Amino acid sequence: AQSVTQLGSHVSVSEGALVLLRCNYSSSVPPYLFWYVQYPNQGLQLLLKYTSAATLVKGINGFEAEFKKSETSFHLTKPSAHMSDAAEYFCAVSSGGYQKVTFGIGTKLQVIP
Amino acid sequence: DTGVSQNPRHKITKRGQNVTFRCDPISEHNRLYWYRQTLGQGPEFLTYFQNEAQLEKSRLLSDRFSAERPKGSFSTLEIQRTEQGDSAMYLCASSTQAGALKAGELFFGEGSRLTVL
Repeated sequence: AQSVTQLGSHVSVSEGALVLLRCNYSSSVPPYLFWYVQYPNQGLQLLLKYTSAATLVKGINGFEAEFKKSETSFHLTKPSAHMSDAAEYFCAVSSGGYQKVTFGIGTKLQVIP
Repeated sequence: DTGVSQNPRHKITKRGQNVTFRCDPISEHNRLYWYRQTLGQGPEFLTYFQNEAQLEKSRLLSDRFSAERPKGSFSTLEIQRTEQGDSAMYLCASSTQAGALKAGELFFGEGSRLTVL
């Protein structure tokens, strides 16, 4: 079984401030981990992924995430928030290969000018 | 644009009616997924196809739900005798079978929103 828990369904940050979105995972096998982003009225798109290579993963738009096995975490960060980062972010886990991807409930990021 | 296409984008129906959604995946993708998303929740897995074979179905997919991918290209999701609890966004995603490097890299359509009155 696999699952992810996203802490905080809503996060507000000021423009220019650090963005930190938290995700913890549970998996019976080495996981593949993902962050997807959904902008208003758009489909989900892949932001970044971890597939057992480097533990620090860089994605699009300046986001990155670090896989920490000891903490079963895969938190998403960005040093400086932009207004355009306002969206809903979903952490997800897969057992690899063709296995289905299981999503968290999402975190809605608000960026305050 | 050669992304994942879903239609209709929005369907309003009365309880008890049947509805069908269509998904056209990215042409070279052999894997196709259906997810359901309700307000405040993340996408929930419904079913998955590799080519025309339906390889996995969630327990969420009751016998009122059926999905097909007859020629390994487009897929349909039919809901019979709709209930108000079926109101949700139905998402389709596709992916390519390219080993671990592409694992989990899903390309989503914009979804089909179902409202059951």
